[in-house]
Amino acid sequence: KAGVTQTPRYLIKTRGQQVTLSCSPISGHRSVSWYQQTPGQGLQFLFEYFSETQRNKGNFPGRFSGRQFSNSRSEMNVSTLELGDSALYLCASSEGNPTFATDTQYFGPGTRLTVL
Amino acid sequence: SQELEQSPQSLIVQEGKNLTINCTSSKTLYGLYWYKQKYGEGLIFLMMLQKGGEEKSHEKITAKLDEKKQQSSLHITASQPSHAGIYLCGADTGNYQLIWGAGTKLIIKP
Repeated sequence: KAGVTQTPRYLIKTRGQQVTLSCSPISGHRSVSWYQQTPGQGLQFLFEYFSETQRNKGNFPGRFSGRQFSNSRSEMNVSTLELGDSALYLCASSEGNPTFATDTQYFGPGTRLTVL
Repeated sequence: SQELEQSPQSLIVQEGKNLTINCTSSKTLYGLYWYKQKYGEGLIFLMMLQKGGEEKSHEKITAKLDEKKQQSSLHITASQPSHAGIYLCGADTGNYQLIWGAGTKLIIKP
């Protein structure tokens, strides 16, 4: 099976702009999670979508939003970009079991976002 | 303080030597994941441990879960340059999202 794919791989934006990142999960996986990774804060959970519904949400401002389509592909959007939004954004897919203890996440290569 | 502490933060090991990375949770562990990351890339799944006392191995990497201590260790035997990277542990503490350690950067000296 093909792995998780993310597009674009690299992105440069300026403050105030908005950005949309895309994630295609492994075939058959219904859950998609998004993470932000920075050197200072490490890996932080943004949100998780399952069957087109947001199931869990991390502690990020409302500028960060996402959605999932019927084919399980997901997009995340960041509006009014700030310098601090520069990070590696990772998407992970899993089968979608309700407990993580039985639901391994598989990660994509990430999108490197730079905000100038 | 971090809910999931990883130690050490970084490690430089001579090729061929063994090493251990630890991951300790301040909360009850229901599952523990180990991933490896090359700089600036995605995370590669290594192993998942569920039960106390569980031990899993893949090639030269062995991970154990000590439920009582709420701790997991990752042991690499006879390290190789291909083992270099950042090792991250992620824990299921029953809160509907994984919490993550800060990572251990491993450098292998030839």
